Amino acid sequence: KQEVTQIPAALSVPEGENLVLNCSFTDSAIYNLQWFRQDPGKGLTSLLLIQSSQREQTSGRLNASLDKSSGRSTLYIAASQPGDSATYLCAVPHYNQGGKLIFGQGTELSVKP
Amino acid sequence: GAVVSQHPSRVICKSGTSVKIECRSLDFQATTMFWYRQFPKKSLMLMATSNEGSKATYEQGVEKDKFLINHASLTLSTLTVTSAHPEDSSFYICSARRQSAASGNTIYFGEGSWLTVV
Repeated sequence: KQEVTQIPAALSVPEGENLVLNCSFTDSAIYNLQWFRQDPGKGLTSLLLIQSSQREQTSGRLNASLDKSSGRSTLYIAASQPGDSATYLCAVPHYNQGGKLIFGQGTELSVKP
Repeated sequence: GAVVSQHPSRVICKSGTSVKIECRSLDFQATTMFWYRQFPKKSLMLMATSNEGSKATYEQGVEKDKFLINHASLTLSTLTVTSAHPEDSSFYICSARRQSAASGNTIYFGEGSWLTVV
């Protein structure tokens, strides 16, 4: 059974700092991995999707990497801003790739001005 | 703009009553939608897969008679929490799968619905 874990559960950093969020998964046979952002009381916004054949994806100040063999992904946020404060979730598809996602617990990020 | 809309965004209901939450795909047809539940400070847990024109597929431990799912059209799935109790209070989020020959499957999430049972 696939399990997704995110560390740390919460992170507080000063504005401008670069930071890394971690995601690990137990079954390396994944089709892709996706990072989401969730603001308090809101739905999910997709940030980056990495296909299993890729090692990283970049979007602006965000860079996500994927190492299937070790069951790990990282989300790197450069030059953090207070507007980056949110919960970040990683997710992998259920084995049958039907659109069902298995989520990690999330990392709650707070960027202090 | 949003491609998946959920309504209502917030609802308060009395114990014992039923409440319906709608999930609509706005500019595409979705034969498959998904319903998740999220407790405070916790991750999203898949409740069920909603299939247009057929019965929903529930995850283990989810009571199908309590959480009724109907997917009567290609753009609308509804989740009805029947005989609601305070422990049903939670954040419910839907997602819809958009299928494209060019880009494969893309999943879009709704904005979520806060349910409070008093």
